[in-house]
Amino acid sequence: GESVGLHLPTLSVQEGDNSIINCAYSNSASDYFIWYKQESGKGPQFIIDIRSNMDKRQGQRVTVLLNKTVKHLSLQIAATQPGDSAVYFCAEIGGYALNFGKGTSLLVTP
Amino acid sequence: ETGVTQTPRHLVMGMTNKKSLKCEQHLGHNAMYWYKQSAKKPLELMFVYNFKEQTENNSVPSRFSPECPNSSHLFLHLHTLQPEDSALYLCASSQADREGEQFFGPGTRLTVL
Repeated sequence: GESVGLHLPTLSVQEGDNSIINCAYSNSASDYFIWYKQESGKGPQFIIDIRSNMDKRQGQRVTVLLNKTVKHLSLQIAATQPGDSAVYFCAEIGGYALNFGKGTSLLVTP
Repeated sequence: ETGVTQTPRHLVMGMTNKKSLKCEQHLGHNAMYWYKQSAKKPLELMFVYNFKEQTENNSVPSRFSPECPNSSHLFLHLHTLQPEDSALYLCASSQADREGEQFFGPGTRLTVL
């Protein structure tokens, strides 16, 4: 079965608003999580990662939150822009491999 | 431009054809990966190579045959595929000790008739 899963397949937000994309995982031993973004016609692109010894990590306009108690992580995008429209995947490391969730499609409307 | 290129970008083949997908990375990485991306399914890892050695074969049918002649090049040889093998095939690379940060190519869109 799927080891990571996204809560919503699609999310629509207005330009300038903040976006929150959620992901749940099942393996309590998972200790490394990554968010990827995939724009149309392109391969996935690394956004940000977080290890289980942290509960928050910030990048440029993005923040990842990790709640190990409920096995949940989220990606927050501040001041969402049209260029943020893409499919967002959470992933965990299992051995050498990335285990991806199905993805949430983020649509930014003007 | 991610530093990972894939050719061809699109491929249509019959079930009896033999074709190969090519991936090249210009990032100095020592790990390379093949993934399959189908509609409405998560990305599926197929193969992993570390320092040219295959370290993972994720129960992939033998009609898919990978080849990694050096750390910069990765091939996926295709033979007698099925229509359900139609998908986007993505190549990625990383440093072997940073497998979470993978750099993906644009993929090859494969259609099997």
